[in-house]
Amino acid sequence: GNSVTQMEGPVTLSEEAFLTINCTYTATGYPSLFWYVQYPGEGLQLLLKATKADDKGSNKGFEATYRKETTSFHLEKGSVQVSDSAVYFCALSSGGSNYKLTFGKGTLLTVNP
Amino acid sequence: DVKVTQSSRYLVKRTGEKVFLECVQDMDHENMFWYRQDPGLGLRLIYFSYDVKMKEKGDIPEGYSVSREKKERFSLILESASTNQTSMYLCASSLSGRRDTEAFFGQGTRLTVV
Repeated sequence: GNSVTQMEGPVTLSEEAFLTINCTYTATGYPSLFWYVQYPGEGLQLLLKATKADDKGSNKGFEATYRKETTSFHLEKGSVQVSDSAVYFCALSSGGSNYKLTFGKGTLLTVNP
Repeated sequence: DVKVTQSSRYLVKRTGEKVFLECVQDMDHENMFWYRQDPGLGLRLIYFSYDVKMKEKGDIPEGYSVSREKKERFSLILESASTNQTSMYLCASSLSGRRDTEAFFGQGTRLTVV
C-alpha cells in the first residue's frame, strides 16, 4: 500500500534560517506528490505539488523536487518568516481514478522573530 | 472563491449520542472525503465518496457511516459517539480522474465527546 514518512517535529527556527523538512514515500504505481500547509485554526491548503520525476514544485519561496530514485520529496525554504509557522503535511496521490490522498503525520514548524 | 464548508467549528456531544457532521462544497467536485486529525497520527481517511450515493471505506471506518444524497453534500455520522472519537474532523473535495488533482479542505470541526 501507500505510505508517507516525514520528519518528526516540532521544528523551531529563527527568522531567516534555512528550512528542510524531509519526506519519503512508498507507493503503488506512479504517484503525484504534494505538500499541504495548515495555519493555526484553519484547514489544509495546497502549498506545492509535482507530478513526475525531477519535477520541482514551488510556491511562496518553498520548493520540493520529486526524486524517484530516492523516493523523496523534501521541502525547503531558504529564509523562513514568522508567518511560515504552521503544520506541514507531505502527501501522495496514487492508484485508481479517484486518486485518494495519503498523508504523512505532519511537522509543526515554529519560527521565532 | 472555491469553498468547502463544514457546518460547525466546535461540537460537544455526550457518549452514546448520534452525531451528524455536515460538509458542503460549491465546486461541483465528484470526490469528497472525511478525515480525522489527531496529534502524532496526522490525517487518517475515514470514508470517501466518488459519486452521489457511492462510498468506500477508508483506513478507519469503524464507528462511522456516511451519506451522500446530493453531489455537493457529504455527511459523516457517528452512530453512537464514544470518547475515543473526540478529534478534529476535516472534510475535503476534489475533481475525479486526474492524478495531480488538488484537494480542497474545510476549516474542520473539533468534536468533543464527554
